[in-house]
Amino acid sequence: AQTVTQSQPEMSVQEAETVTLSCTYDTSENNYYLFWYKQPPSRQMILVIRQEAYKQQNATENRFSVNFQKAAKSFSLKISDSQLGDTAMYFCAFMKWSGNKLVFGAGTILRVKS
Amino acid sequence: NAGVTQTPKFQVLKTGQSMTLQCAQDMNHEYMSWYRQDPGMGLRLIHYSVGAGITDQGEVPNGYNVSRSTTEDFPLRLLSAAPSQTSVYFCASSGVDGGRWETQYFGPGTRLLVL
Repeated sequence: AQTVTQSQPEMSVQEAETVTLSCTYDTSENNYYLFWYKQPPSRQMILVIRQEAYKQQNATENRFSVNFQKAAKSFSLKISDSQLGDTAMYFCAFMKWSGNKLVFGAGTILRVKS
Repeated sequence: NAGVTQTPKFQVLKTGQSMTLQCAQDMNHEYMSWYRQDPGMGLRLIHYSVGAGITDQGEVPNGYNVSRSTTEDFPLRLLSAAPSQTSVYFCASSGVDGGRWETQYFGPGTRLLVL
């Protein structure tokens, strides 16, 4: 069975600075997807970024980028130029290549301070 | 396009009561699923469906029933609510592209309190 571990329960960052959220996972699969979801106080789950394991290039979406280390089974999220609206719970999630079930980590609360 | 909708937003139940959480999507997605979110545990899969008439169990199915009579709707039923079912419930859906499931999109959630 796959597991996803987020070792940082809470983090804080100053507005305009950069922060990195950590995620490690365990799987015997060779191909799979990894995701970062954002959950603001509204509780809505919002997809931030997605990475296919077969791609060596790290995914980027505007101020959000990942550092995907397949051998180390690590998938960290970097947020650049942090904004107050980035304050949220962030979840790392795994899905098999041919599957449809998401396995989530416990989440990291990020607080952006002005 | 409303996406994934869930009703109600919030519900209080007494132990032993039954209720149905509604989920609908208007994206013609084959896959639909229910997750529950508890503090410190992330989201866990309860039940899922890969198409009308097809359902299967996820990680934490006990105490919940589902059915999928249409592509659009995937209700979650609690037959006899227990305090341990106090949680936030999310419905999600995704389509298929080239034989693989696409990214899942989530509804706004239903907060359930069982007294």
